[in-house]
Amino acid sequence: AQKITQTQPGMFVQEKEAVTLDCTYDTSDPSYGLFWYKQPSSGEMIFLIYQGSYDQQNATEGRYSLNFQKARKSANLVISASQLGDSAMYFCAMREGDFNKFYFGSGTKLNVKP
Amino acid sequence: DTAVSQTPKYLVTQMGNDKSIKCEQNLGHDTMYWYKQDSKKFLKIMFSYNNKELIINETVPNRFSPKSPDKAHLNLHINSLELGDSAVYFCASSQDRGQGTDTQYFGPGTRLTVL
Repeated sequence: AQKITQTQPGMFVQEKEAVTLDCTYDTSDPSYGLFWYKQPSSGEMIFLIYQGSYDQQNATEGRYSLNFQKARKSANLVISASQLGDSAMYFCAMREGDFNKFYFGSGTKLNVKP
Repeated sequence: DTAVSQTPKYLVTQMGNDKSIKCEQNLGHDTMYWYKQDSKKFLKIMFSYNNKELIINETVPNRFSPKSPDKAHLNLHINSLELGDSAVYFCASSQDRGQGTDTQYFGPGTRLTVL
């Protein structure tokens, strides 16, 4: 089974609107971390936000928030007030317990329209 | 200051050649990784080193050999390059405190083109 699933290969959003990028994960380990990365067309991988499995509250970082639904095993990224510079590939990732291995989803390409 | 750096950024070479990519991190992290990102943007882990010790070795051809002289450096050497090796190679590092909490930070990537 896939550890990380991103079902939206591509998304469009109007500038200044909010957008949700979906991510579901699969693990039986009670301790894990969930991450989102942004990859703009320039190619670098930029860390955006982290959510720990034991965190009681949803993580937020500026315009980014993570909608963590543990029972559903989902960790959706919400970007508020989209900007043109948000156009990029977005990857969801998970690290299980004390394993030094990160699992990545296939990515979602977000296009922000002016 | 660059946290995770890779050299070179671009590498164009002929089939059959041997090449190396260097990676250095100044974050004091214990674990370093090599990933391959193909043309469809899929990220595949290749290797992981923890304190100079190989801990993850995915099904990667023997032509790929990582070397970690110290915990701040992880180099990737590729022998007898093939067309299918063309990709972007990312180095990354993370602390190793366990409990799934440690963020992984990436280098800028090395775009390898094999002609």
